[in-house]
Amino acid sequence: EAAVTQSPRSKVAVTGGKVTLSCHQTNNHDYMYWYRQDTGHGLRLIHYSYVADSTEKGDIPDGYKASRPSQENFSLILELASLSQTAVYFCASSPGQGAEQFFGPGTRLTVL
Amino acid sequence: QEKVQQSPESLIVPEGAMSSLNCTFSNSASQSIWWYQQHPGKGPEALISIFSNGNKKEGRLTVYLNRASLHVSLHIRDSQPSDSAVYLCAVSPISSNTNKVVFGTGTRLQVLP
Repeated sequence: EAAVTQSPRSKVAVTGGKVTLSCHQTNNHDYMYWYRQDTGHGLRLIHYSYVADSTEKGDIPDGYKASRPSQENFSLILELASLSQTAVYFCASSPGQGAEQFFGPGTRLTVL
Repeated sequence: QEKVQQSPESLIVPEGAMSSLNCTFSNSASQSIWWYQQHPGKGPEALISIFSNGNKKEGRLTVYLNRASLHVSLHIRDSQPSDSAVYLCAVSPISSNTNKVVFGTGTRLQVLP
């Protein structure tokens, strides 16, 4: 059974609308991450978290918020979606620094 | 900030050949280096990691790390069509309070039957 799940798997949003992407992990990992993947840019880190109720900015946090209400759940929030946020978003979990990351299946977000 | 560059962008090899992928990084003190495989429409999956200078073998995979030249390579022996995927190099910088992994842009490998 998949240890990192994401919902929705696909989403079409309108410009200026609010979008929430959800991630759930059953790995019992402390670390969780949100990445976006665009052609030519690889995976870029948006937000991450070490512990519940705490989040940290990654390399491209502008226009995104994150929420970690429990060890298992990590959400990515786009308050005002923009065309430039069209991408595939991946969530991952990891047991520690320098350790393997376990990825979810991704969410394809299209902003129109 | 750590910079990770991968080459080539794309690689086509015949079945049974050796595939060689390269990755350079900017900080010699980087903690660990992972290679991930990503098939179309899927999330990346870890293949192999290396922490110390030298090489490491796992099955058909061999990875070489040279911190002095800031270079790591992945070699896939006896490449199979099922190896066709994007390969991502990921580097963890040394830091006391973060776990920010930096990914390269990937090498797209195609193995022809």
